[in-house]
Amino acid sequence: DVKVTQSSRYLVKRTGEKVFLECVQDMDHENMFWYRQDPGLGLRLIYFSYDVKMKEKGDIPEGYSVSREKKERFSLILESASTNQTSMYLCATRDAGPHYGYTFGSGTRLTVV
Amino acid sequence: AQSVTQLDSQVPVFEEAPVELRCNYSSSVSVYLFWYVQYPNQGLQLLLKYLSGSTLVKGINGFEAEFNKSQTSFHLRKPSVHISDTAEYFCAVSELGQNFVFGPGTRLSVLP
Repeated sequence: DVKVTQSSRYLVKRTGEKVFLECVQDMDHENMFWYRQDPGLGLRLIYFSYDVKMKEKGDIPEGYSVSREKKERFSLILESASTNQTSMYLCATRDAGPHYGYTFGSGTRLTVV
Repeated sequence: AQSVTQLDSQVPVFEEAPVELRCNYSSSVSVYLFWYVQYPNQGLQLLLKYLSGSTLVKGINGFEAEFNKSQTSFHLRKPSVHISDTAEYFCAVSELGQNFVFGPGTRLSVLP
């Protein structure tokens, strides 16, 4: 089974801090995604990547950036954390090809105080 | 642009009763359809998917869904729910294999 590991389950940070959320997958999948999940809003796409060193903005990229230096690792960066970035963050991967569903990590619940 | 509507934000149901969670989508092209389940404090797991062929799709844990192209719907059903089915359920749509669009989710609460 594909494993998608997010480094932290719970994280508390202060306003203005730079925050790194790490995601590592072990199955050589091409595509990786970062979503945030908020009650009543479902999952919203922040950034995605189809290849190493490639990144594309999703629907809500403001206040975030990403890094993909290696195929297995996709990092989400909050340049200057704000309270409205308090949320559940989910990393997902997908193998190349339209038939494949996403495999999700367990999520990181980030609280910015 | 594609969008997904899940009409019920919360569905309470008694144990062993049947349940239907509704999903409607809007798209002008062919789509792939998915249902995911999220148990408390976990990521999302794939329940089932429709890619082509038979419109009735069977998934894990006794769930099934039916694709209705004319009504642009993909409702999820289970004939008899268990306490362990308490979770949040997300419908997702992918136009021709593009990135997914997720619905807002339906919280299913199974009561004893």
